[in-house]
Amino acid sequence: NAGVTQTPKFRVLKTGQSMTLLCAQDMNHEYMYWYRQDPGMGLRLIHYSVGEGTTAKGEVPDGYNVSRLKKQNFLLGLESAAPSQTSVYFCASTLDARRVETQYFGPGTRLLVL
Amino acid sequence: GDSVTQMEGPVTLSEEAFLTINCTYTATGYPSLFWYVQYPGEGLQLLLKATKADDKGSNKGFEATYRKETTSFHLEKGSVQVSDSAVYFCALNIAQKLVFGQGTRLTINP
Repeated sequence: NAGVTQTPKFRVLKTGQSMTLLCAQDMNHEYMYWYRQDPGMGLRLIHYSVGEGTTAKGEVPDGYNVSRLKKQNFLLGLESAAPSQTSVYFCASTLDARRVETQYFGPGTRLLVL
Repeated sequence: GDSVTQMEGPVTLSEEAFLTINCTYTATGYPSLFWYVQYPGEGLQLLLKATKADDKGSNKGFEATYRKETTSFHLEKGSVQVSDSAVYFCALNIAQKLVFGQGTRLTINP
């Protein structure tokens, strides 16, 4: 099992550019999450999905869109990147949302927006 | 709203020193509490947890006790090693979602 993988590992964007971050899991998990990690602020939930074809907003959803067309993939899109979106993005997945501590985290994507 | 506050970092200690990382929380009800560890270049991993008042979570020599009266969940280890160098996050579970503290970077020098 590869677990949770994220692509790319690192990216530099100019303000206004768009990009998609890919999260993939091979554990047949229903629930998937996107977080951002900023210095001094811990991880904050951007969007999440409770199953294929579903998405929901988290704590900081503005400026991001997500899609879950396949159960194993959860995509995070930035339509028009802003410097405030410079961050490290983590994806996570779990089989049982009632046991949040069972979330498996990916290694992260570092994004720099100039 | 529900929140978690950790002690400011970074924290630098010598090998075999005693470690305490403070964590306090604000929440309605009685959430489960967790400590996560993030090693360089990796995602977060669950270190330990406690689900109710007075529970003690423990793993890899680390311990934390759920103190309802002080709304705290401080992380302790009696003798740290260089391999413990990482970022540590305190977190709680609200409505099946994790709320994280800001993280504390720990560096252990040989």
